Amino acid sequence: EDQVTQSPEALRLQEGESSSLNCSYTVSGLRGLFWYRQDPGKGPEFLFTLYSAGEEKEKERLKATLTKKESFLHITAPKPEDSATYLCAVQNTGNQFYFGTGTSLTVIP
Amino acid sequence: DAGVTQSPTHLIKTRGQQVTLRCSPKSGHDTVSWYQQALGQGPQFIFQYYEEEERQRGNFPDRFSGHQFPNYSSELNVNALLLGDSALYLCASSLGNTDTQYFGPGTRLTVL
Repeated sequence: EDQVTQSPEALRLQEGESSSLNCSYTVSGLRGLFWYRQDPGKGPEFLFTLYSAGEEKEKERLKATLTKKESFLHITAPKPEDSATYLCAVQNTGNQFYFGTGTSLTVIP
Repeated sequence: DAGVTQSPTHLIKTRGQQVTLRCSPKSGHDTVSWYQQALGQGPQFIFQYYEEEERQRGNFPDRFSGHQFPNYSSELNVNALLLGDSALYLCASSLGNTDTQYFGPGTRLTVL
């Protein structure tokens, strides 16, 4: 069965302290892997789409990477406004989407 | 450029009632997907509509049904509400059923 596991469940960082979030996935055939940011009570905000192993994408302090079994979201020198839940999702070749439960990131000033 | 919009924002219903949630996709998008997100969980895929037909369905009972209109907007209907249906219901739109999905702000449903 296709599934996504994210770790850690929660992460507290000091402002400026870089770290990485992990997304491990099992999928019958990968069409795409997606990262979203979600603030409390709001809809997920799109960050990145990755399609094949070795692909990397960057946006401001965030960088997403992809291997055949997992993806990492690297956060460089985070700021308090980066505090949110980060969701990972995969789309299989049957066009079904599976989300992980997210990593709750808190950045302390 | 208008993003995905959903209505209503909040809704309170009692067990056994029926509810209809509405979604307007992002301008230029023709595909709408619906998700249920329980507190502290990731979104769970309910179904996807493309060309006014249900194309994909997740593991949800027949109490959950939907519709897509010619202007690509969509409705989610839930019959015989249960306490466990309390959740944030998210609508996402895309161009075609293989493109990146963009989410609306969600409808918070509380079943008492």
